[in-house]
Amino acid sequence: DADVTQTPRNRITKTGKRIMLECSQTKGHDRMYWYRQDPGLGLRLIYYSFDVKDINKGEISDGYSVSRQAQAKFSLSLESAIPNQTALYFCATSDRTGDGYTFGSGTRLTVV
Amino acid sequence: GENVEQHPSTLSVQEGDSAVIKCTYSDSASNYFPWYKQELGKGPQLIIDIRSNVGEKKDQRIAVTLNKTAKHFSLHITETQPEDSAVYFCAASRGDSSYKLIFGSGTRLLVRP
Repeated sequence: DADVTQTPRNRITKTGKRIMLECSQTKGHDRMYWYRQDPGLGLRLIYYSFDVKDINKGEISDGYSVSRQAQAKFSLSLESAIPNQTALYFCATSDRTGDGYTFGSGTRLTVV
Repeated sequence: GENVEQHPSTLSVQEGDSAVIKCTYSDSASNYFPWYKQELGKGPQLIIDIRSNVGEKKDQRIAVTLNKTAKHFSLHITETQPEDSAVYFCAASRGDSSYKLIFGSGTRLLVRP
């Protein structure tokens, strides 16, 4: 099994719908992150969590929310999806040193 | 906040040649600089990293150099092979309690057989 598992792998949804992307990890890491990848823009940080009771906004948090249900689970929600949220979404984890992020395989989201 | 710029956006080399990707960062407090490789359909994977207390680090055919004065760092791949074809990302981080990575925009490397 993968160290960081994202579900679903692909999703097509309609504008205005609520959607949740899920991430679970078996690394035992405290820190978890959600990134968005767009062509030519690299990986941009949406939200991050340093432990179960900690939630922090990243550089592009508008339109997104997160929930850290347990040390191993970190979900990303789009309350009302819009077409410009079409992107590839990655979850990542790290230990407390912050070195060597481990990424999931990504969720490709299309909003029509 | 930190800003990381990466060049070039695409790079095509002949198999066996060297490839160099360059990044600059804005936050002088950054002290950790990893490089990630992303293959098609997969998440980024750490290939090498460097801390600000060293100027160069090598791992077989890949090396990273850091110039703290100029605030830039580079990835060098020698004797390139077709399996090196991928998207490469640089990143930078402060390494303090707010430790999070800021990524460059990526370089698509194509190694021609």
